[in-house]
Amino acid sequence: EAGVVQSPRYKIIEKKQPVAFWCNPISGHNTLYWYLQNLGQGPELLIRYENEEAVDDSQLPKDRFSAERLKGVDSTLKIQPAELGDSAVYLCASSSQAGVGDTQYFGPGTRLTVL
Amino acid sequence: KQEVTQIPAALSVPEGENLVLNCSFTDSAIYNLQWFRQDPGKGLTSLLLIQSSQREQTSGRLNASLDKSSGRSTLYIAASQPGDSATYLCAVYYGQNFVFGPGTRLSVLP
Repeated sequence: EAGVVQSPRYKIIEKKQPVAFWCNPISGHNTLYWYLQNLGQGPELLIRYENEEAVDDSQLPKDRFSAERLKGVDSTLKIQPAELGDSAVYLCASSSQAGVGDTQYFGPGTRLTVL
Repeated sequence: KQEVTQIPAALSVPEGENLVLNCSFTDSAIYNLQWFRQDPGKGLTSLLLIQSSQREQTSGRLNASLDKSSGRSTLYIAASQPGDSATYLCAVYYGQNFVFGPGTRLSVLP
């Protein structure tokens, strides 16, 4: 079974530039999460999808961040414009069942560096 | 605010030792608690999941316990090996989303 796929693995951009991350969850997983992880800290939720619906985006900085999950499968997270403080690892995870705290399966992450 | 803390932040032990990692949470109204492992530059891998009604879970050399009343969980690793070197994170599920601790960075020296 293929795991959660993320691309790119690394991205270096200058501040004020746009950037996008892509995630393909495990086949059949309806729930998809985007997390931000700073060095030495645990992941922090940005947005959670149930199928194509964003059911929790309360922690997503909507002035510069946006996300979509068309057709309820793969998802894209975008930052525009990027700021220095956005440098972090962006993790995508998926799980099979919603609302029961099912095991999450994580992708390898995208390490973003904003110069 | 729901917070999860982990002690120690880092731990270094010689190969073969048994060790305990600690996780504390402020809100005891949990659904479940999970322990994850994270290798450098990689995502998280789930190790054990304990439901709120359970006291412990075991997988191989790993044993996780849960004490909801005191807001604590421990991960016990028996006979540690260099391959166990990684960061271990606990995550508490409160019915909507997971709250992660900062992790304990473990180094097992050969």
